[in-house]
Amino acid sequence: DSGVTQTPKHLITATGQRVTLRCSPRSGDLSVYWYQQSLDQGLQFLIQYYNGEERAKGNILERFSAQQFPDLHSELNLSSLELGDSALYFCASSPRGNKNTEAFFGQGTRLTVV
Amino acid sequence: DAKTTQPNSMESNEEEPVHLPCNHSTISGTDYIHWYRQLPSQGPEYVIHGLTSNVNNRMASLAIAEDRKSSTLILHRATLRDAAVYYCTSQGAQKLVFGQGTRLTINP
Repeated sequence: DSGVTQTPKHLITATGQRVTLRCSPRSGDLSVYWYQQSLDQGLQFLIQYYNGEERAKGNILERFSAQQFPDLHSELNLSSLELGDSALYFCASSPRGNKNTEAFFGQGTRLTVV
Repeated sequence: DAKTTQPNSMESNEEEPVHLPCNHSTISGTDYIHWYRQLPSQGPEYVIHGLTSNVNNRMASLAIAEDRKSSTLILHRATLRDAAVYYCTSQGAQKLVFGQGTRLTINP
């Protein structure tokens, strides 16, 4: 158990809908990362937050947005969903989010868009 | 972000050492080399990281070339539970960017 909690574990929704994925980082970790993993794209970095502020952005679509709240949990919002958004979404946390610290991953949310 | 290159797959036998190579020829001088692994149906799991000198922990050893253009993850005595996809990454700026990884198969 990494200490990172993601909910829900599974989500099935229709095209055009909007969903929210939630991540609770390990106690004391200030940084949160979001990743998308699909079969043909591997692990794609989406976005990173540190203590409530956006710190780095990857290949995150405009239809996707995220935030980190004062209690340090984070949410990833996916809207106008398309079939191609079906994937595993992972959240990771790290104490400081810098180069010399490891990241701890949750078990992921499996999103299926039908 | 430095690009990393790893073999797509490797195979080894149980209880034998495994050496997983990674090339990161464009890595900058201050980027750390991190290794993660992903077991089936699980999230990635941290294995080890280092900057210049070799590193050891309870899971593995990391040997970093003197020019830092490559590194090798060493599993000293593979078990069936080590079968996973192993990712070598370079931690630059605030991103942790993963390549395609090496799928390691362990034969009993």
